[in-house]
Amino acid sequence: GAVVSQHPSWVICKSGTSVKIECRSLDFQATTMFWYRQFPKQSLMLMATSNEGSKATYEQGVEKDKFLINHASLTLSTLTVTSAHPEDSSFYICSARDLGGGGYEQYFGPGTRLTVT
Amino acid sequence: AQKVTQAQTEISVVEKEDVTLDCVYETRDTTYYLFWYKQPPSGELVFLIRRNSFDEQNEISGRYSWNFQKSTSSFNFTITASQVVDSAVYFCALSAPPGGYNKLIFGAGTRLAVHP
Repeated sequence: GAVVSQHPSWVICKSGTSVKIECRSLDFQATTMFWYRQFPKQSLMLMATSNEGSKATYEQGVEKDKFLINHASLTLSTLTVTSAHPEDSSFYICSARDLGGGGYEQYFGPGTRLTVT
Repeated sequence: AQKVTQAQTEISVVEKEDVTLDCVYETRDTTYYLFWYKQPPSGELVFLIRRNSFDEQNEISGRYSWNFQKSTSSFNFTITASQVVDSAVYFCALSAPPGGYNKLIFGAGTRLAVHP
């Protein structure tokens, strides 16, 4: 149980274009999902908390107009990187809390590797 | 301030050796949660364990064991009889106020290489 999927698993785009990444909880409902970014050989940094039916909460230093988050249903959150630049190249990982599990563990998706050329 | 320190950047062992990954955390709150995650080369984070601050019992799960000591603010992870499949980056994480229990604060990670 508690499976989270992401699509696509990797994407290459040109500078200036926008890219959408999907995060789905497959076997549970997630009112809250999270988006992280991980640079090579570094730790995960929380970018934003995505709440179903409301606006996302962004961490300090994360541009909300650049990283658009939509959590339209209990099983889907999307992250759109707008006007991508090479410095946005990174590994983006989403996670979701399974409230039905009773704990605070987050289950992570497999990640999306974004390369901006 | 909340912080997680994993002082060991990389560890290299030979198969069947025991290895301990250190994790030291900082928080002022008395209620908090600690986690360990495994990130294999594929990139996906695998949840290993959650421990709340009121439960200091050590836990064993197969070859994995965890030692939680509030007195030293440590939550160390030991792999017994390591195997090549254990090769991965291991992250220790903390969730606590004021960041909220939603927010996971990750340590820098420890890269474990198990050689045959």
